[in-house]
Amino acid sequence: GNSVTQMEGPVTLSEEAFLTINCTYTATGYPSLFWYVQYPGEGLQLLLKATKADDKGSNKGFEATYRKETTSFHLEKGSVQVSDSAVYFCALSSGSARQLTFGSGTQLTVLP
Amino acid sequence: DAGVIQSPRHEVTEMGQEVTLRCKPISGHDYLFWYRQTMMRGLELLIYFNNNVPIDDSGMPEDRFSAKMPNASFSTLKIQPSEPRDSAVYFCASRTGGDGYTFGSGTRLTVV
Repeated sequence: GNSVTQMEGPVTLSEEAFLTINCTYTATGYPSLFWYVQYPGEGLQLLLKATKADDKGSNKGFEATYRKETTSFHLEKGSVQVSDSAVYFCALSSGSARQLTFGSGTQLTVLP
Repeated sequence: DAGVIQSPRHEVTEMGQEVTLRCKPISGHDYLFWYRQTMMRGLELLIYFNNNVPIDDSGMPEDRFSAKMPNASFSTLKIQPSEPRDSAVYFCASRTGGDGYTFGSGTRLTVV
């Protein structure tokens, strides 16, 4: 079956530090890949996505590249801010309904 | 558009009571998904509908859980009887073609 494995958290960084959150996946067919962000007390918001190999998704300074050869979709940001503190979920969609399969989530805390 | 609307935001109930969670999807979205989020198991897909028809309920944990979608603008998730281990955040999400999911803000259920 499909699965997503995310880097264990929590992750604590100082403001302006470089962020990497690792994500690897197992899937049949050609999944789309996503990063979602969840702020405290809120639902999940789409951060970025990539629909095919070598695509790069980007938004708000975050980037991730769909690497089929390593089955990875690592999230990066060059300079994090306090406002980036949240839980980040890697996910893939597949199947006839394109249902989402999520990783376990990574809690990010950015200190001023 | 107001987005996906879930109610209530918080629910506290006693073990054995019936609980009903509600969801209004985005107008025009033909898929609706119910997810459960817990610390132990992360985000799990419980059930999804296409054009108001339940397609896959293999994620529903037990017969105590049931879900309905009587029309395109309303869905319910019912737990009867509720148990403390049902305590979680329940999310509803909807989408139309492609991968454009929109999540609600969730219902935090506490069963005491």
